[in-house]
Amino acid sequence: GAGVSQTPSNKVTEKGKYVELRCDPISGHTALYWYRQSLGQGPEFLIYFQGTGAADDSGLPNDRFFAVRPEGSVSTLKIQRTERGDSAVYLCASRQTSGTTDTQYFGPGTRLTVL
Amino acid sequence: TQLLEQSPQFLSIQEGENLTVYCNSSSVFSSLQWYRQEPGEGPVLLVTVVTGGEVKKLKRLTFQFGDARKDSSLHITAAQPGDTGLYLCAGEAGTYKYIFGTGTRLKVLA
Repeated sequence: GAGVSQTPSNKVTEKGKYVELRCDPISGHTALYWYRQSLGQGPEFLIYFQGTGAADDSGLPNDRFFAVRPEGSVSTLKIQRTERGDSAVYLCASRQTSGTTDTQYFGPGTRLTVL
Repeated sequence: TQLLEQSPQFLSIQEGENLTVYCNSSSVFSSLQWYRQEPGEGPVLLVTVVTGGEVKKLKRLTFQFGDARKDSSLHITAAQPGDTGLYLCAGEAGTYKYIFGTGTRLKVLA
């Protein structure tokens, strides 16, 4: 399919472990976003890439969270020393710009559970 | 910190009823988007409004952006079970940075 894909779909880990979450954006989309969504809440902005660089990382909660997009396509969100409070659905979106309309296309998310 | 508060938080109605969901902030946004999200999926964009006072219609859905670009509403006419989902507003808070609202969970009963 041509949509945004995220792997794994589910990740269960233990407190203190390191995890990586992967996002494959729609081909050709230069902008990529990571959000975190807790149950019943709206997505919380984490970081936005334009190409390979992080244009805005103001939403990363602390230095345990880091994201990369080395070739301007696939992105990886990395969480060190996971805590139970990190449990959430992590959403990735890629964006195209067409005229005055900016459309973000979201993946299905990775559900992270920290035990 | 820019916040978008949505009301109501939950809404359960019968098929055929009308409803309005509100999205309010004390901050001004350059544009505002509405999304619908179903369980296990990411949000799907419904509409983008960019001009204060703008009204857009999408079949039975009517979206309005407040004159001051601080608030928005979504009105659904004759709701159907297929409208069930989590409705989210999102304001553009900086250049291509989006802040999402708290969400309204709608359930339409047949």
